Amino acid sequence: GENVEQHPSTLSVQEGDSAVIKCTYSDSASNYFPWYKQELGKRPQLIIDIRSNVGEKKDQRIAVTLNKTAKHFSLHITETQPEDSAVYFCAASNPGGGADGLTFGKGTHLIIQP
Amino acid sequence: DTEVTQTPKHLVMGMTNKKSLKCEQHMGHRAMYWYKQKAKKPPELMFVYSYEKLSINESVPSRFSPECPNSSLLNLHLHALQPEDSALYLCASSPSDRGYGYTFGSGTRLTVV
Repeated sequence: GENVEQHPSTLSVQEGDSAVIKCTYSDSASNYFPWYKQELGKRPQLIIDIRSNVGEKKDQRIAVTLNKTAKHFSLHITETQPEDSAVYFCAASNPGGGADGLTFGKGTHLIIQP
Repeated sequence: DTEVTQTPKHLVMGMTNKKSLKCEQHMGHRAMYWYKQKAKKPPELMFVYSYEKLSINESVPSRFSPECPNSSLLNLHLHALQPEDSALYLCASSPSDRGYGYTFGSGTRLTVV
């Protein structure tokens, strides 16, 4: 089955600086890579996703890059703000293989220092 | 309606009780999922229903029993749970069995005493 590794487990950055979270996956058949933000006591919320036919995707301050050859993908948050503080999960799946769940990384606790 | 609705939001049950968690979506999604999330851990997949048929059961103990009465509803029946089953139970749905575009419900916080 798929295995997703995520680093770092905790990331503290100054407000206004950039944050980068990295994930690697094991199953070369995986082709869908979403990122979720989860605030304490709340549901995971999709913030951005990328499919394997694209190398990079951007949405305002958030961007995701994908390197299929190396089997890794990264989340980039620029101009961080206090409301970006949360736990971020990367995930991978192979939707083309039929209904499938997401395999999550262990999460990164992002702390934005004022 | 763009939400997945879960009830109840909180549940406390004894180890001899029988209870059910409910999940509902009206987005026309044809795949629905149950995940279990312990504190400070990622969600772990339990069950997948695709077009109302159980397609994945991730070796979950039989004290958890899923049911999909129709394409909009998903239940999780609980019986003889253990304290270590206390967790946040998340329901999710996606438009098709392609898995893109997951939407998570707010979850049920379950405590087994």
